[in-house]
Amino acid sequence: DVKVTQSSRYLVKRTGEKVFLECVQDMDHENMFWYRQDPGLGLRLIYFSYDVKMKEKGDIPEGYSVSREKKERFSLILESASTNQTSMYLCASSKGVSVGTQYFGPGTRLTVL
Amino acid sequence: AQSVTQPDIHITVSEGASLELRCNYSYGATPYLFWYVQSPGQGLQLLLKYFSGDTLVQGIKGFEAEFKRSQSSFNLRKPSVHWSDAAEYFCAVGGGGSNYKLTFGKGTLLTVNP
Repeated sequence: DVKVTQSSRYLVKRTGEKVFLECVQDMDHENMFWYRQDPGLGLRLIYFSYDVKMKEKGDIPEGYSVSREKKERFSLILESASTNQTSMYLCASSKGVSVGTQYFGPGTRLTVL
Repeated sequence: AQSVTQPDIHITVSEGASLELRCNYSYGATPYLFWYVQSPGQGLQLLLKYFSGDTLVQGIKGFEAEFKRSQSSFNLRKPSVHWSDAAEYFCAVGGGGSNYKLTFGKGTLLTVNP
């Protein structure tokens, strides 16, 4: 079974803090994705990566950055957390060089106070 | 640009009743279509997908979906709903080539009454 794990299920941070969300997949997938999920808005793509050290902006990249130093690990960074970044963050991975089935982690519910 | 519309925000059905969740997509070429399910507090699990071939696809947990190109639809169906099917359901569309992105609908929340 494909396994995508996220470093925390719940996280509480203060405004202005630097926040790291980590995602690890164990299936040697080329592609990894970060989404945020908000009620009534569905899933929105923040960033994705199709190879080590490669990244592309998604639909809502403002206020976020990412890092992919190893194939299995994809980190989402909130440089200076703000209250409007309180959300559920979902990581996903997929195989291959085009669109394919994305496998999701359990999510991290981030609260910024 | 690709997009997905799930017209129903919330649907309530009785246990044992049939279910149909609607999904309409917009995509310029042949789409890749997916249905995912999310139980409370969990990540998304793939129910089924359509890439090509037979337009009626079978998935896990007794779900099926039919791709209708003429209607730009990919509706999800189940003949008899179980209480454990209560969850949020997301339809997604993607394309071929080097387009890795999936675009998700806003989801349909399913409540199952005993």
